[in-house]
This record gives sequence, structure tokens and C-alpha cells, in this order.
Amino acid sequence: DAKTTQPNSMESNEEEPVHLPCNHSTISGTDYIHWYRQLPSQGPEYVIHGLTSNVNNRMASLAIAEDRKSSTLILHRATLRDAAVYYCILRDDQTGANNLFFGTGTRLTVIP
Amino acid sequence: DTEVTQTPKHLVMGMTNKKSLKCEQHMGHRAMYWYKQKAKKPPELMFVYSYEKLSINESVPSRFSPECPNSSLLNLHLHALQPEDSALYLCASGSDVYNSPLHFGNGTRLTVT
Repeated sequence: DAKTTQPNSMESNEEEPVHLPCNHSTISGTDYIHWYRQLPSQGPEYVIHGLTSNVNNRMASLAIAEDRKSSTLILHRATLRDAAVYYCILRDDQTGANNLFFGTGTRLTVIP
Repeated sequence: DTEVTQTPKHLVMGMTNKKSLKCEQHMGHRAMYWYKQKAKKPPELMFVYSYEKLSINESVPSRFSPECPNSSLLNLHLHALQPEDSALYLCASGSDVYNSPLHFGNGTRLTVT
């Protein structure tokens, strides 16, 4: 699986937007970009995923660069509940294996 | 609350004990996973079951023995563990739909003494 690079940590003020970057310069044409987050004392939870176009859902937005070598997870209004480790993961299901390999992630701190 | 239930939440065992971790889901998912997570580290994939058959073993030592008795249940049998095996063990499930999300339980925190 291709590798992703994320900052170790970021801080955001409550009720402000947060932009979490991810670099994936070796992404292949069939890799999907997935984001998961892990709140303290919980298992990871799915946030969003996309291939080429920007994606929106109730939790977040995903902005994908035109060359697909980077992407940004956008939380429109950070709350204290958004404090978590955010993982950017590339998934290629061409092999039929629906697996998920986690990188080191970004620890987001939300300041009240 | 998650749709993947793991029991027990906490487990302390000695190095000579035999114990089992259990995972259950009723979402009709046909893929189930075990991950191991050490403190401040990302989850590491251990095993994948697809349609109740072991499809991936990420070179996990034989003291960890997975079992998938039916499509809703996943067990991890533990025997002769070492203190360095102390970790959070996470179970996940997923459908066979292309790129569908995985659903994780909240894990079993295992301490080996």
C-alpha cells in the first residue's frame, strides 16, 4: 500500500475550521483516499473517502488535489468532541482485499 | 455505542494463562478483522477473515489464534503471551462492497503480567 505523510499534531480553536493535510505522492490511479479518526478510549471511526473529486458528508469535507498527490480533510467548525487522532489512509481494493493499513496520523487538539 | 461489540473490555492475564477475546457484529458483514494497538501508536492489522475463512495473517506469532465460528462472531484465542503483547486489541467488520468503510469496536485492553 502506498504511504501517506501527516503532521504529528495540530491545534485548533473551538468553532473554527480545521484543515488537516495529507501527502501521498506515490498514490496510484486506483487508490482511494480514506480518512478515519480515533477518539480517546474508542476504536477508529470512518470519516470520509474519495477518489478524485471533492467529497462532502455530515462529518467533514475532503478536498483532493488535482494531481492527487495530496488531500485535506476539512472540519468546518471544530468542537471539543472532534479532538482525536485523524488517519489518512490509501486503499486499493483491486486485489479484492478490503483491508486498512494505518499510518501515524495527526493528533488534533481543540482549544476551548 | 458501536455496532461491533467486543468483550471483555479489560483483561489481565498471566503468561501461562489461556484466554479468549470475543467480537460480535450483526450488520451482515462478511469480512472481520483483528488489529493490535500499542499506546500512542496506530492500529496494526493482525488477521482478516473473509466469508469465515482466514484470508490474511500478517505474520502474527502462533500464540495468537483467531477463529471465526460464524459470520457474526470472531474470536482471538490467547496462550502463553508475553508482557510485550499488552495492548488494545480492536475488532472490525466490513461488507464486501468495494471501498466500504470498516466498523470498529472499542477494543479489549489486554495486560499480560
